[in-house]
Amino acid sequence: AQKVTQAQTEISVVEKEDVTLDCVYETRDTTYYLFWYKQPPSGELVFLIRRNSFDEQNEISGRYSWNFQKSTSSFNFTITASQVVDSAVYFCALSEFAGGTSYGKLTFGQGTILTVHP
Amino acid sequence: GAGVSQSPSNKVTEKGKDVELRCDPISGHTALYWYRQSLGQGLEFLIYFQGNSAPDKSGLPSDRFSAERTGGSVSTLTIQRTQQEDSAVYLCASSLFLGQTSTKQFFGPGTRLTVL
Repeated sequence: AQKVTQAQTEISVVEKEDVTLDCVYETRDTTYYLFWYKQPPSGELVFLIRRNSFDEQNEISGRYSWNFQKSTSSFNFTITASQVVDSAVYFCALSEFAGGTSYGKLTFGQGTILTVHP
Repeated sequence: GAGVSQSPSNKVTEKGKDVELRCDPISGHTALYWYRQSLGQGLEFLIYFQGNSAPDKSGLPSDRFSAERTGGSVSTLTIQRTQQEDSAVYLCASSLFLGQTSTKQFFGPGTRLTVL
């Protein structure tokens, strides 16, 4: 069965520091999708990125970057020059293809609480 | 509205009562998901709808939980004879159905259910 592990329960940094959130996943499927979502204090999950298992290119979006490594089954997320507004819970999630029977349902990690202090 | 909406935002009920939670997905999104977020279990999948049918109900924790979707739009999650362990935030998400590809899901603000 699929599993997502976010070993860091809480991270606390000072503004402008870089921070990396770790995500390790387990799946037997060769086709799968990885996601990161942000949950700010308001509670609504906000989509950040989706990556399929055949695309190992790293991606950068502004201050955000993602490092996907199939060899270590990891999909880590880095925030450069963190800001107070980055404070939130961040979830990594996995969706297997499962021959088309997973229907895109997400398996989430436990989340990492990021607090950025001014 | 442009996003997924859920109602009520908060629901307090007494143990043993039935509750109904509502989800309005983004217009045109044929896929709809219910998840539950609780302190002990994290974020868990409950049920998936494609149109009005539910091909995956594998996450429903017991037969006290049921859900329906009508008109390929609004969905209702019903919990009968609520128990204290049902206390959680119930999240609804919708997405475009693109064949068998996992597209990004848009989440609603959730319904916080408290069972006394």
